[in-house]
Amino acid sequence: DAMVIQNPRYQVTQFGKPVTLSCSQTLNHNVMYWYQQKSSQAPKLLFHYYDKDFNNEADTPDNFQSRRPNTSFCFLDIRSPGLGDAAMYLCATSRGTSGGETQYFGPGTRLLVL
Amino acid sequence: QKEVEQDPGPLSVPEGAIVSLNCTYSNSAFQYFMWYRQYSRKGPELLMYTYSSGNKEDGRFTAQVDKSSKYISLFIRDSQPSDSATYLCAMSAGRGSTLGRLYFGRGTQLTVWP
Repeated sequence: DAMVIQNPRYQVTQFGKPVTLSCSQTLNHNVMYWYQQKSSQAPKLLFHYYDKDFNNEADTPDNFQSRRPNTSFCFLDIRSPGLGDAAMYLCATSRGTSGGETQYFGPGTRLLVL
Repeated sequence: QKEVEQDPGPLSVPEGAIVSLNCTYSNSAFQYFMWYRQYSRKGPELLMYTYSSGNKEDGRFTAQVDKSSKYISLFIRDSQPSDSATYLCAMSAGRGSTLGRLYFGRGTQLTVWP
């Protein structure tokens, strides 16, 4: 089945220790998104890639970076995690970015910062 | 004012009850309306998708959109314990928009008890 896969499902890191979260997709979609979701809050868009074009949200901290080496894979790098970065990180994909495009989500990676 | 408002609940109902979940929004440019279901510690999955005003039915689920009131609803008939999840409304602007950004509500936590 075509799907969005995230690894690991749970990640524990130490305060200030860089961490990388992984997302892969078999849908062959052009767009890949990273969202941050804190408890009982709406998912917050961090950035997205349309093919190789990177689009950062204005309020995404510099501490968050992303890489997309190919169509299938996208990574979220947190350079120096703080306690406030503990959250569920969701990867999503869509065919395009026009209004009405359905986004398909992965299962998420839950990040804990000690 | 947030773009999308959704009562977080929690909402607790007995099995077999009719559940009504709602969102209001402020941006009249929204044309596409979605409901995602998110089980605990999982990613959101698309449940219902509607365009513009009107009703859409899929099994026990009915989505309603009233653009004049900027109000959307999801009804669940004959609710089951397996419906226990967080329900997120999401919406996006028309196809002319440069980014089909999804604007999410914060989700309503639903528990259906046997």
